[in-house]
Amino acid sequence: GAVVSQHPSRVICKSGTSVKIECRSLDFQATTMFWYRQFPKKSLMLMATSNEGSKATYEQGVEKDKFLINHASLTLSTLTVTSAHPEDSSFYICSARDLAGGPGTDTQYFGPGTRLTVL
Amino acid sequence: LAKTTQPISMDSYEGQEVNITCSHNNIATNDYITWYQQFPSQGPRFIIQGYKTKVTNEVASLFIPADRKSSTLSLPRVSLSDTAVYYCLVGDTDTGRRALTFGSGTRLQVQP
Repeated sequence: GAVVSQHPSRVICKSGTSVKIECRSLDFQATTMFWYRQFPKKSLMLMATSNEGSKATYEQGVEKDKFLINHASLTLSTLTVTSAHPEDSSFYICSARDLAGGPGTDTQYFGPGTRLTVL
Repeated sequence: LAKTTQPISMDSYEGQEVNITCSHNNIATNDYITWYQQFPSQGPRFIIQGYKTKVTNEVASLFIPADRKSSTLSLPRVSLSDTAVYYCLVGDTDTGRRALTFGSGTRLQVQP
């Protein structure tokens, strides 16, 4: 199956700093990628949809100025957590869909996640 | 988006078959059913996807009745390493631009 990578796998930063997380589709092109966050023992919550060459679409309640998303190419999307605070500490997961097989055959593949800890 | 309902948790023993049922009463005509497995501190891993009847791969089977209002993931002869959270999701895969919405998932605990 298709592979999605994330970097870094974990990051610890001080409150007030910004952190960038990269999401890459390694063996397929993804015009659309998705960013989720997950708190301990909770389900994944969709934060935003990242569209290559255009602005991201944010879910209700997600601050677009705090969580900056850039989809610079068909294989790379980045999430930047600006002015991070301890409440931003979470597990961030990206995903992408491989549409190569046509309708009904594509599947959403997830990255391994990034553990962010803000001190 | 179709909402899914799954049992919060299930317990099993090694070597047993585990069946996890998911309800999705409002599934749309274009929606597919996809199951994912997630271990702690890892991203969800694709298990199986189907539209109707039965789908089988090397890992699991997926049973979908004719009305498609539910689906059952069947894991044959589980082992301790199958302890994880299992998510049932429904969504339109035709465009690829809509994200899948996660429900609460089913926490499967396999005992020796």
